[in-house]
Amino acid sequence: GAVVSQHPSRVICKSGTSVKIECRSLDFQATTMFWYRQFPKQSLMLMATSNEGSKATYEQGVEKDKFLINHASLTLSTLTVTSAHPEDSSFYICSARMAASYQETQYFGPGTRLLVL
Amino acid sequence: AQSVTQLGSHVSVSEGALVLLRCNYSSSVPPYLFWYVQYPNQGLQLLLKYTSAATLVKGINGFEAEFKKSETSFHLTKPSAHMSDAAEYFCAVSDPPYYGGSQGNLIFGKGTKLSVKP
Repeated sequence: GAVVSQHPSRVICKSGTSVKIECRSLDFQATTMFWYRQFPKQSLMLMATSNEGSKATYEQGVEKDKFLINHASLTLSTLTVTSAHPEDSSFYICSARMAASYQETQYFGPGTRLLVL
Repeated sequence: AQSVTQLGSHVSVSEGALVLLRCNYSSSVPPYLFWYVQYPNQGLQLLLKYTSAATLVKGINGFEAEFKKSETSFHLTKPSAHMSDAAEYFCAVSDPPYYGGSQGNLIFGKGTKLSVKP
């Protein structure tokens, strides 16, 4: 149980294009989903927290107009990197927390590696 | 503000030897603490968690960690290392979800890469 998937697992795109990454909780409902970014050999940095049906809360320094997050259902959140540039190349990981009171565990997806040429 | 410090970015042990990965935290409220493992090019898998119950927490794959409030530590141990334990390990802290309006966001340490020698 508690499986989170991400699609695609790897994407290469040209500079200036937009890329959408999907995060799905496969066997549970997730009121809260988190998006992280991980640079090579570094830790995960929280980008934003999204609650189903409401606007995402972005961490300081993260451009909300560049990293669009939608959490339209209890099992799906999407991250769209708009007008991607090479410096956006990174490993993007989502996590989801169960829709139950005081559930503290985040379940992580396998990550999406984005390479912007 | 919360923070996590993992001492040692790289730890190398021999197969069968004790594994000890260190984690110290800073938190203004009773923390929740987690250890996650990450294999290359994969997401994170939860090893174990402390959520204010028993201070000695047992996790998967033979790992355990002990919450020591006086030392603000949550070190991860395994009595006997296996080759398959080679991975990156992350310690993380969060406020209890819904505590004072918290969303329970995780703050991660920088990670410790564990190598296991034959």
